[in-house]
Amino acid sequence: EAQVTQNPRYLITVTGKKLTVTCSQNMNHEYMSWYRQDPGLGLRQIYYSMNVEVTDKGDVPEGYKVSRKEKRNFPLILESPSPNQTSLYFCASSLKNRARQETQYFGPGTRLLVL
Amino acid sequence: DAKTTQPNSMESNEEEPVHLPCNHSTISGTDYIHWYRQLPSQGPEYVIHGLTSNVNNRMASLAIAEDRKSSTLILHRATLRDAAVYYCILRLGGSQGNLIFGKGTKLSVKP
Repeated sequence: EAQVTQNPRYLITVTGKKLTVTCSQNMNHEYMSWYRQDPGLGLRQIYYSMNVEVTDKGDVPEGYKVSRKEKRNFPLILESPSPNQTSLYFCASSLKNRARQETQYFGPGTRLLVL
Repeated sequence: DAKTTQPNSMESNEEEPVHLPCNHSTISGTDYIHWYRQLPSQGPEYVIHGLTSNVNNRMASLAIAEDRKSSTLILHRATLRDAAVYYCILRLGGSQGNLIFGKGTKLSVKP
C-alpha cells in the first residue's frame, strides 16, 4: 500500500532534549516536506526537499533541522526543543512537485508536547 | 501562492448534496485549483484538482467558473464520514511545492 509513515505518533518530551521524528514514503517520490499545524494558524511548511541531499527552508524553519540521505526518508530533528514547538506535525511527499497538477500525500501526523 | 477565500463553516444533512465555495479572484491563467480535506485526527488528503474545465472523480466534482475567479467543490451525497475541514488551494507552476493552506471550511454533516 502506498503510504507516508511517521514515527512516533505521539511524543512528550522536556525542553532541551534532542528528538527526531522520522518520515518514510514507499512511493519513490522525489519531493518531501514537513508541516506543522497549530490552532488558528493552520498548516505551515517547515522544510522541504526536492530530492536526495537537496533541502530548503519553508516558512517556519527556526529550531528545526532536516536531512535527506535517502530518497524514502526525511527525518525532522529538533536539536533543543522548546515549548513553542508543541504542535501537530505532518510529513508529505509527491512525485516531483514541479507540475502544478501534482498532488501531495500526507502522513498521519505526530503530536508533540514539549514541557 | 495566490490567496483563496472560503466560508469558515458549513452544515449539511446526510445524503444531501453539499456545495463548498471558494473565491480566488487573483488567480492567474496557469494556476491549478486543488482541494484537500482533513478528517478529524488525520493528515490532509487530496480530493480533486482542475484548471479550467469541470472535473469529476470518485470523491467529488469540481465546478470552475468561466472566469476562473471562483470554484465549487460538490459532494453529491454527503455522509457522516465527509465531516472534515476542506481546503481550497492554488498551485502555481514551478513552485517549490509549498501548499499554502488557508483556514478552510469546516463541514459538519448531520444524520
